Amino acid sequence: QVQLVESGGGLVKPGGSLRLSCVASGFNFTAYYMNWIRQAPGKGLEWLSYISSSGSDIMYADSVMGRFTISRDNAKKSVYLEMNSLRVEDTAMYFCAYPARLAREWGQGTMVTVSS
Amino acid sequence: EVVLTQSPLSLPVTLGQPATISCRSSQGLVYSDGTDFLHWFHQRPGQSPRRLIYKVSNRDSGVPDRFSGSGSGTDFTLKISRVEAEDVGIYYCMQGTHWPWTFGQGTKVEIK
Repeated sequence: QVQLVESGGGLVKPGGSLRLSCVASGFNFTAYYMNWIRQAPGKGLEWLSYISSSGSDIMYADSVMGRFTISRDNAKKSVYLEMNSLRVEDTAMYFCAYPARLAREWGQGTMVTVSS
Repeated sequence: EVVLTQSPLSLPVTLGQPATISCRSSQGLVYSDGTDFLHWFHQRPGQSPRRLIYKVSNRDSGVPDRFSGSGSGTDFTLKISRVEAEDVGIYYCMQGTHWPWTFGQGTKVEIK
């Protein structure tokens, strides 16, 4: 069955960096766009970024443009989110999901807390 | 950015009774292939969202047939024909037509 397993979250100080990972299984990873979506505590959902199957098509939400970088390694069936210049307002559960614009499957999420 | 406005934001329902959630978009959601990329998700506390309905009216595998979606243009609806206890949680509509893809604010369904 399809599985998406995120990792890499944790507590970081404002201005710090983190790298999130999402490992996929149970489907043809190389054929699909992948996405990162987040949810601040007690809040709604925000789509952050997507990356095409080849990695050539990438988009970011304005809120993370220039600070976050999405990438993927098809050999490892993994997608990543490099997060720099983290702010308190980036505190959230981060989910990977697929496919693009349909979000049929989600991981369980990894929590990122930005606090001094 | 496309804004999705859900109503109501809170929906107390009686078990066995119907429930309806509205999702209004700030612009049309027709994609280049002619379909509306408007979906519905259900999220229970501490869990990831689960997709229930995709492209307005298509029920996902394993989703009970008491759930149905409808609509077109800028107005969309999720209906639960007879609410069961397991249906509590937050329901979100989501559009995947215009980047950035966006979600509604969520509608909290609880049992009276």
